[in-house]
Amino acid sequence: GENVEQHPSTLSVQEGDSAVIKCTYSDSASNYFPWYKQELGKRPQLIIDIRSNVGEKKDQRIAVTLNKTAKHFSLHITETQPEDSAVYFCAASMSAAGNKLTFGGGTRVLVKP
Amino acid sequence: SAVISQKPSRDICQRGTSLTIQCQVDSQVTMMFWYRQQPGQSLTLIATANQGSEATYESGFVIDKFPISRPNLTFSTLTVSNMSPEDSSIYLCSVEGKRGEKLFFGSGTQLSVL
Repeated sequence: GENVEQHPSTLSVQEGDSAVIKCTYSDSASNYFPWYKQELGKRPQLIIDIRSNVGEKKDQRIAVTLNKTAKHFSLHITETQPEDSAVYFCAASMSAAGNKLTFGGGTRVLVKP
Repeated sequence: SAVISQKPSRDICQRGTSLTIQCQVDSQVTMMFWYRQQPGQSLTLIATANQGSEATYESGFVIDKFPISRPNLTFSTLTVSNMSPEDSSIYLCSVEGKRGEKLFFGSGTQLSVL
């Protein structure tokens, strides 16, 4: 089955700096890659996703890039703010159907003011 | 996105007992999913709940331990049976968006087993 590795497990950045989280996946048939943000005590919230026919997608301060050849994708957060502090999870799926979403281990991001 | 209500939000249970978690969605959905998030860990899919048929369980999860009901297109329950401290986790139900894209999570049930 699919295996998703996520790095780093923790990331501390200064407010205003950029944060980058990287994930690799094992199954070349995977074609849907969402990112979730989970604040302490809250549910995971979908923040951005990308499909395999797209190399990059942006939404304001966040962007995701995908390299299908290398089987890795990354989340980029620019101009970080304290409210960006959370745990971020990447995931991979062979379709947009949630029943085969495999999650990475998570990255705890701390933005220091 | 769908509004997904889950209850209870938290519970403390004794080992050997069972707890049933309810998930209610404000719109009809074909598939509902149950995930487990152990303390400080990632999300693991327990099973997919389909209306009118038995749930489909992922490797490592069995129906006797996690029976699931799906009586209609807006509701599902997950029971954690014969609980042990290792079952202490957050349990999350989730549904796909209306166009079959994206996955949205309920508010979760934080379970502690003593």
